[in-house]
Parts: sequence; C-alpha cells; structure tokens
Amino acid sequence: DGGITQSPKYLFRKEGQNVTLSCEQNLNHDAMYWYRQDPGQGLRLIYYSQIVNDFQKGDIAEGYSVSREKKESFPLTVTSAQKNPTAFYLCASSMGLAGQETQYFGPGTRLLVL
Amino acid sequence: SQQGEEDPQALSIQEGENATMNCSYKTSINNLQWYRQNSGRGLVHLILIRSNEREKHSGRLRVTLDTSKKSSSLLITASRAADTASYFCATVIVYNNNDMRFGAGTRLTVKP
Repeated sequence: DGGITQSPKYLFRKEGQNVTLSCEQNLNHDAMYWYRQDPGQGLRLIYYSQIVNDFQKGDIAEGYSVSREKKESFPLTVTSAQKNPTAFYLCASSMGLAGQETQYFGPGTRLLVL
Repeated sequence: SQQGEEDPQALSIQEGENATMNCSYKTSINNLQWYRQNSGRGLVHLILIRSNEREKHSGRLRVTLDTSKKSSSLLITASRAADTASYFCATVIVYNNNDMRFGAGTRLTVKP
C-alpha cells in the first residue's frame, strides 16, 4: 500500500449526515486522487488534485467535496447529497500526472449507510 | 463511464499454468496500465505500457498493446496461488492525463 494511509477502515453514515474520509501520504507526491469502487466494478474518479489548493472534478463528483490545504493530505467529504454512498473508497497519489506515473493506492475505506 | 473492458470477467486455473487477460478500450490513449487488487485492498501497479510500445516484460508478467485493435493483454506465466487477485487495466485518454479510466477487472483464481 506504499506510503499512503486511509482512515478509518470502516465508516458508518446515518441518513442526512456528512462524513469525512482521511487520506495522508508521505511520498512527497504532488498529485492525489479519490476513487469509488462498487462491487464487481472498476474504479471511478471522484476528484483529483495536482497541487496544493487546487482540485478538479472527476467523473462522479456530485455529492462529494474535497480540500487540499497541505501536500500530504487530501480528505474527502461524502455529503448528504450523495444518495448512494455505500462503496469502497480508494485514495491514490502520484509524483506527476496519473497517466505518466505510477499511482500508489491506500488500503481503502469501506463506507456503509445505517 | 468506463473506458477499458477486461475479458474474461473471471478465470480459474491450476498453479503452474499461464493466465491471459485481455483489455479493450474505446478511444485513443497515451498509455495503458495494469493493476492488481487483492480482495478488499488497494490497487498495486504492475506495468505501464506507452502507446508507442508493443510489448513489455516484468518478471513473470508480459503485456502487449495493439493500438490498431485498441486492445491489450496481460500474461502471467507459471502462475502461483499468490497470484489470485483481480486485475484491472487503466487507460489515460489523450486529452486529459489525469483522467484515468479503469475497467471492471478480471478475477483470477489460481488453485494450488
């Protein structure tokens, strides 16, 4: 899992609640990414950030928000607007652009709705 | 939307046999990457092959890329039980190097 940590491993969300997933990397990577994985499917990009204080929407950004105040950290908030949040969330980082460099993934956070 | 599609969806072989997985994609790419995921874990990068390369090797792994057919294959030789995992191809489309699209994966089971 490289030098990327995600917490918690499991997270439970109640209806109408916002929850924040943590992602920290000590690889000195500039770029960080959040993906969502549903059972039997591949990964879908939620948000990515190439540098501090800048981030871009991916394929499925609706109902999610991010911040990039520090190079090492890229937290993801799942808001109450995300109607189907149950999934496995993976954070990744790379030295440069995703397409040019190896992406290193964290161990993932499994989000469940109560 | 997914860009790559792996085939087969599931593959079961005996230890020592070779495993071949295929990936097809739809639009022009800069490169294609293969990743491995053990159940419930993060992904691990295996190989990156650029659009101007046709074949690449890494240990027991061999990847080919045919841009005319928009397809790639991953061959694992002399498979081991520890190779049991899901394998994903990921492509980066030409006009956005940060937009990496993953297929649904091939679930490989290697029986001891």
